[in-house]
Amino acid sequence: GENVEQHPSTLSVQEGDSAVIKCTYSDSASNYFPWYKQELGKRPQLIIDIRSNVGEKKDQRIAVTLNKTAKHFSLHITETQPEDSAVYFCAAVSSNNNDMRFGAGTRLTVKP
Amino acid sequence: NAGVMQNPRHLVRRRGQEARLRCSPMKGHSHVYWYRQLPEEGLKFMVYLQKENIIDESGMPKERFSAEFPKEGPSILRIQQVVRGDSAAYFCASSPPLRLVNEQFFGPGTRLTVL
Repeated sequence: GENVEQHPSTLSVQEGDSAVIKCTYSDSASNYFPWYKQELGKRPQLIIDIRSNVGEKKDQRIAVTLNKTAKHFSLHITETQPEDSAVYFCAAVSSNNNDMRFGAGTRLTVKP
Repeated sequence: NAGVMQNPRHLVRRRGQEARLRCSPMKGHSHVYWYRQLPEEGLKFMVYLQKENIIDESGMPKERFSAEFPKEGPSILRIQQVVRGDSAAYFCASSPPLRLVNEQFFGPGTRLTVL
């Protein structure tokens, strides 16, 4: 089955700096890669996603890149703000069974 | 269009009791997924259901746990004879009928505490 690895597990940046979170996956049949943000005690919220037919997608301060050959994808947050502080999860969905597997999460702290 | 609904939001059970967690998917969604999140940990897939069908239960413990999604009514995750290690947040998510691959929309979660 799919195995998703996520790094780093914690990330602390200064307000205004960029943050990068990286994930790798193992199942070559995976073709959809969402990213979720989870604030303390809240549900995971989809913030951006990318499908396997594109290499990059951007939405304001958030961008995601995908390298299918290397089986890795990354989340980039620019001009970070304190309200970006949360746990971020990457995930991969296999076209074989529609199951979503999550990375272990990255706790991002943005210091004012 | 109401989002994914889960109830109860908080559930307290004593060891050995049963826990029933309910999930009503978004209107028009026919796929339901259950995830478990232990404190300070990530989301672990448990089971994927369509109406009256279990599609994938590879993440579900073999004993004490069961799930259903009947033709009418919400999806139910049932945990029999709960133990302290079952204490966690249980999230369900739903997605519409398959096109390509679909986003999953999460409910607010049920926080189960086993005393």
